[in-house]
Amino acid sequence: GAVVSQHPSWVICKSGTSVKIECRSLDFQATTMFWYRQFPKQSLMLMATSNEGSKATYEQGVEKDKFLINHASLTLSTLTVTSAHPEDSSFYICSARGTGLQWEKLFFGSGTQLSVL
Amino acid sequence: RKEVEQDPGPFNVPEGATVAFNCTYSNSASQSFFWYRQDCRKEPKLLMSVYSSGNEDGRFTAQLNRASQYISLLIRDSKLSDSATYLCVAISGGSYIPTFGRGTSLIVHP
Repeated sequence: GAVVSQHPSWVICKSGTSVKIECRSLDFQATTMFWYRQFPKQSLMLMATSNEGSKATYEQGVEKDKFLINHASLTLSTLTVTSAHPEDSSFYICSARGTGLQWEKLFFGSGTQLSVL
Repeated sequence: RKEVEQDPGPFNVPEGATVAFNCTYSNSASQSFFWYRQDCRKEPKLLMSVYSSGNEDGRFTAQLNRASQYISLLIRDSKLSDSATYLCVAISGGSYIPTFGRGTSLIVHP
């Protein structure tokens, strides 16, 4: 299956700093990537949808100036949490829509656990 | 009302048991359906696709009922390693918007 590489896996940072999370599709071109966050024992919450070469579409209640998404190439999408605060601590996961025969499927990165002190 | 609903459980079953999960979706435009498995603090992994004709993969069987707008997952002969959260996903056609259920927790005990 398609592989999505996400890093870093863990980030611990001080309040006020910015954190960048990268997701790369390794063996296919991901025209669409989804960014989720997940709190413990909660469901995946879609934050935004990014399409290569265009602005991301943010879900209601997600601050686009705080969660900057860039999808500059067909294999790389980044999420930057700007001026992170403790309430931003969460598990962030990206996923990419498959291509070809796997166009219906979603392939996930391994997630990033962000802890803001 | 949430678009995809699942009973969060947990379902606590002994090894060898058969357990079934259901998931309902409200968007009749949904066209593709999947079950994912998620272990604690890990990414969801695709378990299987769901079709109206049914889909069986070893001990796992998935079924879609379009008329009633629900999908099901049946696990036979449960193993300890089946303990996880099972997420159902409905994907709308056209604009391809995946919607996840909150997941059903399964605990298989000896």
